[in-house]
Amino acid sequence: ETGVTQSPTHLIKTRGQQVTLRCSSQSGHNTVSWYQQALGQGPQFIFQYYREEENGRGNFPPRFSGLQFPNYSSELNVNALELDDSALYLCASSRFHGAVEQYFGPGTRLTVT
Amino acid sequence: AQSVAQPEDQVNVAEGNPLTVKCTYSVSGNPYLFWYVQYPNRGLQFLLKYITGDNLVKGSYGFEAEFNKSQTSFHLKKPSALVSDSALYFCAVVSSNTGKLIFGQGTTLQVKP
Repeated sequence: ETGVTQSPTHLIKTRGQQVTLRCSSQSGHNTVSWYQQALGQGPQFIFQYYREEENGRGNFPPRFSGLQFPNYSSELNVNALELDDSALYLCASSRFHGAVEQYFGPGTRLTVT
Repeated sequence: AQSVAQPEDQVNVAEGNPLTVKCTYSVSGNPYLFWYVQYPNRGLQFLLKYITGDNLVKGSYGFEAEFNKSQTSFHLKKPSALVSDSALYFCAVVSSNTGKLIFGQGTTLQVKP
């Protein structure tokens, strides 16, 4: 097990609602990346946070946003939820920006109905 | 653009037999390659990585992978499969520009007693 934790474990939301997912990085890691894994697919990069700023973004719309806090923990916010947002959301932390090794948390399973 | 391909959706092997899960990649520059395993309703667990050095990389749980630059492949192997190896396996490459992981679609490994 890595030292990366995520909450909540599972979440059910209704289309149009907003959701916040949380991630605590492994001790000593200052970079957090978020990935979306739809059913039957490989994880897709959403964005990365380093020193409290977004540092790289994948092909996701602006309604996907994030924050990183001074303790390096992070939040993923999704507004105006759509059915296709149903997925496993994975957080990964790394020791520093540019580090190739990333350590994954257990994920948050989001279901949008 | 950097990409990873896992040509097999599923691999079936008998317990005790050798297993191979295939992965090919396309990157500009030096590739940083990874294998992850995912058990049902769990996050990603790191198996092994290739950064530089020996082409044969040894990882967790008896797995190894062979980096082949001429064939742009990074196949995952294990000499003797266990039923407990049954899981979903992902090959990934790190994008040198952003540090993001680019994953293949995944291969389901089924090991039968």
